[in-house]
Amino acid sequence: KQEVTQIPAALSVPEGENLVLNCSFTDSAIYNLQWFRQDPGKGLTSLLLIQSSQREQTSGRLNASLDKSSGRSTLYIAASQPGDSATYLCAVRYSSASKIIFGSGTRLSIRP
Amino acid sequence: ETGVTQTPRHLVMGMTNKKSLKCEQHLGHNAMYWYKQSAKKPLELMFVYNFKEQTENNSVPSRFSPECPNSSHLFLHLHTLQPEDSALYLCASSQEGTSGSRGEQYFGPGTRLTVT
Repeated sequence: KQEVTQIPAALSVPEGENLVLNCSFTDSAIYNLQWFRQDPGKGLTSLLLIQSSQREQTSGRLNASLDKSSGRSTLYIAASQPGDSATYLCAVRYSSASKIIFGSGTRLSIRP
Repeated sequence: ETGVTQTPRHLVMGMTNKKSLKCEQHLGHNAMYWYKQSAKKPLELMFVYNFKEQTENNSVPSRFSPECPNSSHLFLHLHTLQPEDSALYLCASSQEGTSGSRGEQYFGPGTRLTVT
C-alpha cells in the first residue's frame, strides 16, 4: 500500500532556529514530490516541487531534498520566523497515474 | 483574477438539499482536481480531470458528482449528503503532458461545507 508519513505531527521551536521537517513514502517509483504550506482554514500554497530525477530544490530560506532509495524527503527551513507558523504538507505523485497521496502534515509553531 | 478560485467559500446545507461547488482556474492548465480535507485526516483525492476527461475516481460515493465542461471550470454537484461529508473541499489544477510541464499543483482557497 502506498503511504506518505510525516513525523512529527507538531513541532514548536523558538524564532531564529533552523529546522527540518520529514516526509517518508513507501513506494520509490514516484513522479514528483511537492511541499505545501497551509494556514488555518485556507487552501494550500505550493512551496517546492522536486521531480523524480532531482535531488533538491531551493527557494529563499527553504530547501527540499529527495532520496528515493530511502523513501524520504526533508524540508529545511533556515532562520525560522513567526510567519513560518503553518501546517506543512508533502504530497507524492506516482508514475502509474495521476494518483497523488498526501501526508497528514506537520503543524509548525515558531515562538517569538 | 488569477490563480484558482472557488465559490462559495462557505456552505451550510441540509441532508436533502442539492448544491454545487464551483472552481475556476486562470492558469491555462489542462488538469483539475477535487480534494476533500476532513479534520485529523490526510487530504483525500476525489476526482481528476485531464483534458476534460475524468481519469480518476477514488471510490467516491455517488452523492458527489463532478462536472468539467471545459479545461478552466470544474464543478462538484452535491445531493443527499451526510453529516460526515462536512469538510473543506479543495480544488487544484496543473499542467500535464506538455513540453516543460512539471505537474505542479496549484490550489484554490477551498469551500468549507457543513452538512446539518
